[in-house]
Amino acid sequence: DAGVIQSPRHEVTEMGQEVTLRCKPISGHNSLFWYRQTMMRGLELLIYFNNNVPIDDSGMPEDRFSAKMPNASFSTLKIQPSEPRDSAVYFCASSLRLAGGLGELFFGEGSRLTVL
Amino acid sequence: DQQVKQNSPSLSVQEGRISILNCDYTNSMFDYFLWYKKYPAEGPTFLISISSIKDKNEDGRFTVFLNKSAKHLSLHIVPSQPGDSAVYFCAASSGTYKYIFGTGTRLKVLA
Repeated sequence: DAGVIQSPRHEVTEMGQEVTLRCKPISGHNSLFWYRQTMMRGLELLIYFNNNVPIDDSGMPEDRFSAKMPNASFSTLKIQPSEPRDSAVYFCASSLRLAGGLGELFFGEGSRLTVL
Repeated sequence: DQQVKQNSPSLSVQEGRISILNCDYTNSMFDYFLWYKKYPAEGPTFLISISSIKDKNEDGRFTVFLNKSAKHLSLHIVPSQPGDSAVYFCAASSGTYKYIFGTGTRLKVLA
């Protein structure tokens, strides 16, 4: 079975450019998360979708960041314009949220972003 | 405001000995806790979890202990193996909402 699929795995771009990261969650999962990993803050939750609806975007750093989930099998995280401090590894994760709890998070392999 | 804290960024242990990784939290509403392991260039993978109604959960070489009064949990790995070398993240959630992760502890098991 395919896990969470993220693309691109690596992205190098110049400051000011638009960056789009993509995620395909595990089929059947109803919750999707975007995390950012940095040395200082560890795994930082950016945004959480449930049934394709954004529930909590309080972790999105600023207006330069936006995320969408047009359907159950696809999500994007966009940074426009990008800045060097956005350099990090961005993870997408999905889970099956049931009445009893959030369930185990399954992570993709991450997208390593470098903004020069 | 870090609600989940892993105060040791790194830990080195001799193969065969016990590894103890610690995690502290501040939110008394957290009722479910997990540990994830992450190898370089891979996503984190689930290791073990514990509900707040328990104080211990064991799975093979891995045991998680929860001390609710101290708002502290720990992961014990016995015996430690070189393949256990990775970054370990603890995470916590309240109700069915979302997981908050710590900053991670890098474990190195020396052969």
